Amino acid sequence: GAGVSQSPSNKVTEKGKDVELRCDPISGHTALYWYRQSLGQGLEFLIYFQGNSAPDKSGLPSDRFSAERTGGSVSTLTIQRTQQEDSAVYLCASSPRERGDGYTFGSGTRLTVV
Amino acid sequence: AQSVSQHNHHVILSEAASLELGCNYSYGGTVNLFWYVQYPGQHLQLLLKYFSGDPLVKGIKGFEAEFIKSKFSFNLRKPSVQWSDTAEYFCAVNDYKLSFGAGTTVTVRA
Repeated sequence: GAGVSQSPSNKVTEKGKDVELRCDPISGHTALYWYRQSLGQGLEFLIYFQGNSAPDKSGLPSDRFSAERTGGSVSTLTIQRTQQEDSAVYLCASSPRERGDGYTFGSGTRLTVV
Repeated sequence: AQSVSQHNHHVILSEAASLELGCNYSYGGTVNLFWYVQYPGQHLQLLLKYFSGDPLVKGIKGFEAEFIKSKFSFNLRKPSVQWSDTAEYFCAVNDYKLSFGAGTTVTVRA
């Protein structure tokens, strides 16, 4: 597609439920990032995929968070047993190569845990 | 990974004033540098980027940034701001991973 697509755009879930957030990067982009943006905060790095290399998971805040990228394209971020502090906007970005030519960001998924 | 510092948390200025936002990163080597902007209710957009060459980079909407390697800095400037420049501005540095600063909120008063 023309841009990075994220779904859903908004998600309200009950505390303790699992959620899946999806990112469709721009076709052919090998690098994909997930970030989290909380109110009044900057962008918190979560995970980075680059081609077929093992992902950099160093930013995942707990073992409740996981992400996968199937076929080098679509990525899913899963949060298990959601907590209220997980409420944030989750952003996905992709780039055509490792060092980036200006990453393109999706519109994000606004997650609210009630 | 790089640590990125943005010096100002919130800047308030009047239309036609000049704007400069500071950005420093933590260590040298080969890096790519970016400024992103997020207008209210919108997603992040690339303002400008530096990969190599002329250290003075011009971006969209009249913004420019200067890369000073010796100072590990990449400051953003605009000579005359408009009300529509009200937004949050993020500096980002990429060596092997894209790291962002905490952001600077810019409010331009008409």
